[in-house]
Amino acid sequence: DAGVTQSPTHLIKTRGQQVTLRCSPKSGHDTVSWYQQALGQGPQFIFQYYEEEERQRGNFPDRFSGHQFPNYSSELNVNALLLGDSALYLCASSLGLSNQPQHFGDGTRLSIL
Amino acid sequence: GENVEQHPSTLSVQEGDSAVIKCTYSDSASNYFPWYKQELGKRPQLIIDIRSNVGEKKDQRIAVTLNKTAKHFSLHITETQPEDSAVYFCAVREKLTFGTGTRLTIIP
Repeated sequence: DAGVTQSPTHLIKTRGQQVTLRCSPKSGHDTVSWYQQALGQGPQFIFQYYEEEERQRGNFPDRFSGHQFPNYSSELNVNALLLGDSALYLCASSLGLSNQPQHFGDGTRLSIL
Repeated sequence: GENVEQHPSTLSVQEGDSAVIKCTYSDSASNYFPWYKQELGKRPQLIIDIRSNVGEKKDQRIAVTLNKTAKHFSLHITETQPEDSAVYFCAVREKLTFGTGTRLTIIP
């Protein structure tokens, strides 16, 4: 039973570039949520996808966008990268939208130079 | 939006003793409260959760209590072991709003 998988594990970009991160949910899950975790802080909610639509969004600018595919996998895109975007990006999957346990992947460590 | 406060930020406990971490929240409509354990460089792992229709839930050495009136919930770890050392995060609702974390250190 595969858990949540994310790729790549590490990524280095420069300011102004664009990045795409990928997530495959745990088997049987259909909902994907993305979080940003800065060093020493708790994860911050970016957005959630269900049935290929963005269902909820946290306090992040439009530079952050996403997509969910028919197989429930998801992508997080960040445009015009800033130094402050350096963080661990975590994907979590769950079943449906109603307060079900979320299971996290290992994350993608994004460094902006 | 939801505001979640977590205390203490650091906690050192002698092995075998109990540890208690508390979180308060602001939205009275919140109805789901998970706790996550995150070891250094690893993913957050769900260790226990509770829904608003229950006051307490226990799983072996871990328990969570919820006081809806006061809008706070607590994580209790009994008979602590060195492998319990980690950062613990509380969270609220399906659009998880996380607390600021508690670094728990178990002293052998």
